[in-house]
Amino acid sequence: DTGVSQDPRHKITKRGQNVTFRCDPISEHNRLYWYRQTLGQGPEFLTYFQNEAQLEKSRLLSDRFSAERPKGSFSTLEIQRTEQGDSAMYLCASSGGRNEQFFGPGTRLTVL
Amino acid sequence: AQSVTQLDSHVSVSEGTPVLLRCNYSSSYSPSLFWYVQHPNKGLQLLLKYTSAATLVKGINGFEAEFKKSETSFHLTKPSAHMSDAAEYFCVVTYPYRDDKIIFGKGTRLHILP
Repeated sequence: DTGVSQDPRHKITKRGQNVTFRCDPISEHNRLYWYRQTLGQGPEFLTYFQNEAQLEKSRLLSDRFSAERPKGSFSTLEIQRTEQGDSAMYLCASSGGRNEQFFGPGTRLTVL
Repeated sequence: AQSVTQLDSHVSVSEGTPVLLRCNYSSSYSPSLFWYVQHPNKGLQLLLKYTSAATLVKGINGFEAEFKKSETSFHLTKPSAHMSDAAEYFCVVTYPYRDDKIIFGKGTRLHILP
């Protein structure tokens, strides 16, 4: 399967712990996006990369959140000092330029 | 402000009857418009897209949508619903020649009645 993959699929953590998620985009795609989706809502844009450059960050991305794409391939999203309000599905998508995005299956985070 | 509105949070139709999911966008700029479907515990899947070519767009699984600039709408339709169509549907707007912002609607949950 050469689609977008995300790891882990589920993460349960205690409040205050740090978590890191990984996204592997479709190999030839230069754009990579992170979204957060809470129950009953549509995905909310967090940030995106073009190659290794992080071009835009949403106001939703507090100082506790950091994303990287060091070699322009896979990306990581880290949340420090998790809070219960961080519980959500974190979605990654990739695209080849200004075209439709292909989404991964998501990582469901539960903060206890 | 740029936005996208899905007018119904839930839609229920009987199997075999037509489906209409409504979406309106607001902007002065030329948008690209998409419909995505999300089945329970599965990733988002692209149904169809409009990117300034034909205004009537055909997608997968018998869905289609019509871009109406005068009404700023991009409603999703299907002539005959199937049980497997039960899912959450998201209308998405982007402005590729403006600022590339990607805006999702809040979603419409489609229920199919037997």
